[in-house]
Amino acid sequence: GAGVSQSPRYKVAKRGQDVALRCDPISGHVSLFWYQQALGQGPEFLTYFQNEAQLDKSGLPSDRFFAERPEGSVSTLKIQRTQQEDSAVYLCASSPTRGYGYTFGSGTRLTVV
Amino acid sequence: GDSVTQMEGPVTLSEEAFLTINCTYTATGYPSLFWYVQYPGEGLQLLLKATKADDKGSNKGFEATYRKETTSFHLEKGSVQVSDSAVYFCALPRDGDDKIIFGKGTRLHILP
Repeated sequence: GAGVSQSPRYKVAKRGQDVALRCDPISGHVSLFWYQQALGQGPEFLTYFQNEAQLDKSGLPSDRFFAERPEGSVSTLKIQRTQQEDSAVYLCASSPTRGYGYTFGSGTRLTVV
Repeated sequence: GDSVTQMEGPVTLSEEAFLTINCTYTATGYPSLFWYVQYPGEGLQLLLKATKADDKGSNKGFEATYRKETTSFHLEKGSVQVSDSAVYFCALPRDGDDKIIFGKGTRLHILP
């Protein structure tokens, strides 16, 4: 596609509910990143894929967070048993190769009530 | 570790005013430096970048010069417009990988 597409744009979840956030990167982009942006803060790194391989997940805040990219294109970020502190905008970005620079999606705003 | 510090907002200016948003960094080596912009309801967009000392990045009337001696990358624009209202993030790639470290962002309001 022309850009990085994320869905849904908005998600309201009850505390304890599981959620899944989807990212469609630009076709052919090898690298895919997930970032978390809390209100009034800059984005914080969560995890990184190169093709289907998850090379770095050091930013995932707890074992309730899980990301996958099984075929090296679409990626899903899953949050289990959501908590209020998970409320944030989740940004996905892709890059054609290492060091080239990112294109960001518009993000998914998650609100846990 | 690597970090970015930028001036806190919000910054409110009148249209056609001169803009400066300060950014300083701490890094191993001499990384590329970026300014990203986030318009309301949209994702982050790369505004400009500089890859080495004394480089000047520019785009849409915005400029920033990579100053190694002061470890700074201040964003400037000579005459702002209402359409420049957004959140601006200074950023750099962490040494050794592609992860980008962002500042906390500066919200800019331009009044007509």
